[in-house]
Amino acid sequence: EAQVTQNPRYLITVTGKKLTVTCSQNMNHEYMSWYRQDPGLGLRQIYYSMNVEVTDKGDVPEGYKVSRKEKRNFPLILESPSPNQTSLYFCASSSSGGTGELFFGEGSRLTVL
Amino acid sequence: SQKIEQNSEALNIQEGKTATLTCNYTNYSPAYLQWYRQDPGRGPVFLLLIRENEKEKRKERLKVTFDTTLKQSLFHITASQPADSATYLCALGPGGYNKLIFGAGTRLAVHP
Repeated sequence: EAQVTQNPRYLITVTGKKLTVTCSQNMNHEYMSWYRQDPGLGLRQIYYSMNVEVTDKGDVPEGYKVSRKEKRNFPLILESPSPNQTSLYFCASSSSGGTGELFFGEGSRLTVL
Repeated sequence: SQKIEQNSEALNIQEGKTATLTCNYTNYSPAYLQWYRQDPGRGPVFLLLIRENEKEKRKERLKVTFDTTLKQSLFHITASQPADSATYLCALGPGGYNKLIFGAGTRLAVHP
């Protein structure tokens, strides 16, 4: 089954404790992206990757890092989480670059205390 | 900067009626527009894509229109069912950007 898998689905952490949200897709897509979704603001892009070892900032990259060492994986790293990073995070992938049909993961709800 | 507006108020309709959702945009010239469905606690799921040179697109009970003069897309669900209750997101691309720009979504509630 074609899917994008994120882990963890739910996480409560404290300010400053580094965490990683993993994302893996099994569709051999070149393009992958991370979004955060906050009430009333819609989906905002954090980082994206056009291919292995190629990453770039989206609209709200501050406080986040990513890496793309393998085609299927695109982890999101919060080096020192802060309460304003409490949000619902989605990973997405596409075979058509950043503007084609996106396949989303189930989401990771992060709370930073 | 580019702006996308979807009705922030929930749309409540009776089962069997046609639901119409609106997506308006400014400061943007998209080549196409996509609609996604999002259920609570789930990731968005792609429904339809309509290009700027297409006035209308249909898929089963779904119909999308795209008016580049009005800078507006309408999303229709005919013969709506309670199972259609969800939040619907519009997304525009590329318009000179290497990404989709998403609206905040409109929640649809279909009552039996």
